[in-house]
Amino acid sequence: QQQVKQSPQSLIVQKGGISIINCAYENTAFDYFPWYQQFPGKGPALLIAIRPDVSEKKEGRFTISFNKSAKQFSLHIMDSQPGDSATYFCAASGDTNAGKSTFGDGTTLTVKP
Amino acid sequence: GAGVSQSPRYKVAKRGQDVALRCDPISGHVSLFWYQQALGQGPEFLTYFQNEAQLDKSGLPSDRFFAERPEGSVSTLKIQRTQQEDSAVYLCASRSSGVQETQYFGPGTRLLVL
Repeated sequence: QQQVKQSPQSLIVQKGGISIINCAYENTAFDYFPWYQQFPGKGPALLIAIRPDVSEKKEGRFTISFNKSAKQFSLHIMDSQPGDSATYFCAASGDTNAGKSTFGDGTTLTVKP
Repeated sequence: GAGVSQSPRYKVAKRGQDVALRCDPISGHVSLFWYQQALGQGPEFLTYFQNEAQLDKSGLPSDRFFAERPEGSVSTLKIQRTQQEDSAVYLCASRSSGVQETQYFGPGTRLLVL
């Protein structure tokens, strides 16, 4: 049973466009939802994270939207740049399991100049 | 400061060999996680340490996998009698304290079992 489902698998966006990646979770015990960015040959790096007490969090060009009732959250990248080309993973964790993360399968984003 | 480091970065093993993968967490970080990342997939949890105590090993796929962190700092993931299905990137992450803190990942060890 996959607890975190991510879509799309791949995404191509023109420079300056908006990139949107979606995730859905099943376990209602999850209460921390980070997004990670991973470049080839590197480990995932935290990009932005949200807790279910807010519906949106913005940091620079990156925004997380969170819908607790639908058990869905999404990452929006505004003004996408070629340097944003990477694989993005959503994840979920909960205080009850020491914060170990359950990851989605990733989205490969390509931003064309 | 220095991030999480892992060694070796690449390891090629013949099927049946034992391998040991090392993780040096960020100094002072209490929590340490091991994840396995298959090609084209997200990381999957293997095991978790708080200091030297292994509190969760529910993700270890078989008894061929063994992890330790004897002094609460460096950790080693050992895989005995490697199989081709063990080929993956093994990621280590550390966290200062508290489940709400950020996990910092190392670059991973890419294991290829022939």
